[in-house]
Amino acid sequence: ETGVTQTPRHLVMGMTNKKSLKCEQHLGHNAMYWYKQSAKKPLELMFVYSLEERVENNSVPSRFSPECPNSSHLFLHLHTLQPEDSALYLCASSQAPPGAYEQYFGPGTRLTVT
Amino acid sequence: AQSVSQHNHHVILSEAASLELGCNYSYGGTVNLFWYVQYPGQHLQLLLKYFSGDPLVKGIKGFEAEFIKSKFSFNLRKPSVQWSDTAEYFCAVNARNQGGKLIFGQGTELSVKP
Repeated sequence: ETGVTQTPRHLVMGMTNKKSLKCEQHLGHNAMYWYKQSAKKPLELMFVYSLEERVENNSVPSRFSPECPNSSHLFLHLHTLQPEDSALYLCASSQAPPGAYEQYFGPGTRLTVT
Repeated sequence: AQSVSQHNHHVILSEAASLELGCNYSYGGTVNLFWYVQYPGQHLQLLLKYFSGDPLVKGIKGFEAEFIKSKFSFNLRKPSVQWSDTAEYFCAVNARNQGGKLIFGQGTELSVKP
């Protein structure tokens, strides 16, 4: 299933690096989401975009910076991360408004911060 | 704060056994309810959803869930599991006045022995 794609699938970065995660959806949706999935913890919502505007910023540290240039693409820019940021980062999309429809998830980017 | 609780972290069953996974949430208002499944090595997929209407909802692969409003519960059931149902199952709740915020439970890992 290729409705929501994420690249890269795996990323190892040092604490001083800058990198970006990319998400693309091919489902014609207007809302996109970033989640963090850490071991033994529930999925945590990070950001929500609806019609390319950020509508939710769930108390995420500023070292994570999202960008939504259009309704099909979502980025997560990373800089000066900490080892505890190592996790699986999931992108999802849905029809708008957010929350009113089911979300479709990508395969995730496994991030390791060294 | 809203929360979603899945009672069982790991369930082990033999093929043909019946399954019931518990999910309770803490929110007094109107909610949308979901069960997602993550098969080994695959991304999160929607199993079933409840928005309104008949509280007994049927999903894919023979799964069903019942919304009991008075108990704040949305338990997942399957009368006869198969080895291919081995996966991690996540309950998720969206409070309708909370925008796109989807709150996930911690997940239940189901292992089905052939």
